[in-house]
Amino acid sequence: EVQLVESGGGLVKPGGSLRLSCAASRFILSDAWTGWVRQTPGKGLEWVGRIKAKSDGGATEIPAPVKDRFTISRDDLKNTLYLQMNSLETEDTAVYYCATTGGGLWGQGTLVTVSS
Amino acid sequence: DVVMTQSPLSLPVTLGQSASISCRSSQSLVRSDGNTYLSWFQQRPGQSPRRLISKVSNRDSGVPDRFSGSGSGTDFTLKISRVEAADVGVYYCMQGTQWPATFGQGTKLEIK
Repeated sequence: EVQLVESGGGLVKPGGSLRLSCAASRFILSDAWTGWVRQTPGKGLEWVGRIKAKSDGGATEIPAPVKDRFTISRDDLKNTLYLQMNSLETEDTAVYYCATTGGGLWGQGTLVTVSS
Repeated sequence: DVVMTQSPLSLPVTLGQSASISCRSSQSLVRSDGNTYLSWFQQRPGQSPRRLISKVSNRDSGVPDRFSGSGSGTDFTLKISRVEAADVGVYYCMQGTQWPATFGQGTKLEIK
């Protein structure tokens, strides 16, 4: 079965860092445009980064609201996508999903809670 | 960023009846390649979003033909015919024409 499985979520204090992972099965991440979407009750669904397919150069793009704090990367040997989140704020509390940028494939999500 | 506005935000429907959800974008979603990157998603309680329709009207594999998408430019509609209990959840539109892709606020469908 084709699937994406996120891990790495948890409780972190404001100002802290966290790295999320997204492992793919029966799906080659480097062949697709993929990224991270977060979901909060207040702001709904929001893309927080994407990475292009290897064939398209593999560049990453991070939206302005999190540009200075979040980084997206991919390990093609491990077939895993990452989201590095630094200087976390309480507003970053959310369920984080990895997904293909067209939305055709999603992981199950991992909860990140930023609280003191 | 492109702002996506859905209506209604709450949609009580009788089993077997039809439902329609509107999605409007703050600018045209026609990209330079001629395609319109407007998708619809269903999120059942406790689950990840699931794409139902891409590029306005293309149903994903396994999606019942009770679900149909239409529209153009800045105005789009998701129609659900013969609503079933399994359709309960929140429905989102998403534009992928301009990065960052953006979602509507969501429409919560419930059974009357």
